[in-house]
Amino acid sequence: DQQVKQNSPSLSVQEGRISILNCDYTNSMFDYFLWYKKYPAEGPTFLISISSIKDKNEDGRFTVFLNKSAKHLSLHIVPSQPGDSAVYFCAASATGTYKYIFGTGTRLKVLA
Amino acid sequence: NAGVTQTPKFQVLKTGQSMTLQCAQDMNHEYMSWYRQDPGMGLRLIHYSVGAGITDQGEVPNGYNVSRSTTEDFPLRLLSAAPSQTSVYFCASRDTGFSGAQHFGDGTRLSIL
Repeated sequence: DQQVKQNSPSLSVQEGRISILNCDYTNSMFDYFLWYKKYPAEGPTFLISISSIKDKNEDGRFTVFLNKSAKHLSLHIVPSQPGDSAVYFCAASATGTYKYIFGTGTRLKVLA
Repeated sequence: NAGVTQTPKFQVLKTGQSMTLQCAQDMNHEYMSWYRQDPGMGLRLIHYSVGAGITDQGEVPNGYNVSRSTTEDFPLRLLSAAPSQTSVYFCASRDTGFSGAQHFGDGTRLSIL
């Protein structure tokens, strides 16, 4: 049972445009969400996070939106750059569990 | 500042062999974890530890053992390797004091023939 789902395996976007990556979750106990970026042959690196008490968190070109009623979060990258080409994972956790559940990832390709 | 260090980077085993994947962190993080990444499956949690002497199972613990004798080290043991354990393994660490981001190592690519 996949508790965290990223239904789009891949996404291509033109440089300078907006990239929107989506993530859905099923466990209503999740209250903390993170996005990681992964380049080939490297470990994932933390990008941005959001707590369930917020519906938006922004860090430079990256914004994460959380819709608790829909159990949906999205990562917006504006403007997209070729260096953003990577696999993006969303992850979720519930307070006190110490477990992070990851989605299957979305491969973003930003075209120059 | 090394962060999270995993060794080896690559390993080929035969079915039935045993092996220990090493993970060390120098950030004094209490929380450490092991994941495996398989095509189309994302990152799946194998085992985790919230401090020295404390370990617990994740989503896919079968076939793997862990121990945590020091804060710095969290080795993952395969007692009898099987082809289904062919994967890329990532170790991660973070503070337990808050829901902080995990720091990942660069992975160990393991092939079992």
